[in-house]
Amino acid sequence: SQKIEQNSEALNIQEGKTATLTCNYTNYSPAYLQWYRQDPGRGPVFLLLIRENEKEKRKERLKVTFDTTLKQSLFHITASQPADSATYLCALDQTGTASKLTFGTGTRLQVTL
Amino acid sequence: EPEVTQTPSHQVTQMGQEVILRCVPISNHLYFYWYRQILGQKVEFLVSFYNNEISEKSEIFDDQFSVERPDGSNFTLKIRSTKLEDSAMYFCASRDRGYNEQFFGPGTRLTVL
Repeated sequence: SQKIEQNSEALNIQEGKTATLTCNYTNYSPAYLQWYRQDPGRGPVFLLLIRENEKEKRKERLKVTFDTTLKQSLFHITASQPADSATYLCALDQTGTASKLTFGTGTRLQVTL
Repeated sequence: EPEVTQTPSHQVTQMGQEVILRCVPISNHLYFYWYRQILGQKVEFLVSFYNNEISEKSEIFDDQFSVERPDGSNFTLKIRSTKLEDSAMYFCASRDRGYNEQFFGPGTRLTVL
């Protein structure tokens, strides 16, 4: 069966450290993988997109890697801040046409002082 | 900055009643989506809409659901006869041609009693 798993329900880290979130998938062949941030009671907010032929993408303090052999994406936030505390969702776009996104369950990140 | 808006923010209804959830996508976007998120669960795709017709729908989107773009700005989701299990947060999203990232609205919390 198809599955998208994100590491542990919650991740607690200290301010200034690098947070690393994992997204593993089975029985999918996504053309794109996207990462979104979701705050409580709010809609997801797009952060980064990586294509199947790309290994790494960066945007300011964010970095995404994509390994189609391992069927895994890693999402890094460097120099984390309390304002980074939120739930982070990975989403697969299988067709590359963005006709739909299939979301993982999310990882709740808590950054403490 | 342009954003997706949704009304109402919270809708309470009795089982068996019809509800219409409203969305105003970003004005130059051409692709529209509805997702739902049951409390504590993942974001699930319902339907995508382009060029005045449904592009793709999920198994959740059965005959009780319909979507419409009645004019140039609104995009609606109708649930004909609500069930208890329809209680969830419903998110509208839109995207521009040539881009894969989706922009989500703040959501409508639907409570079916």
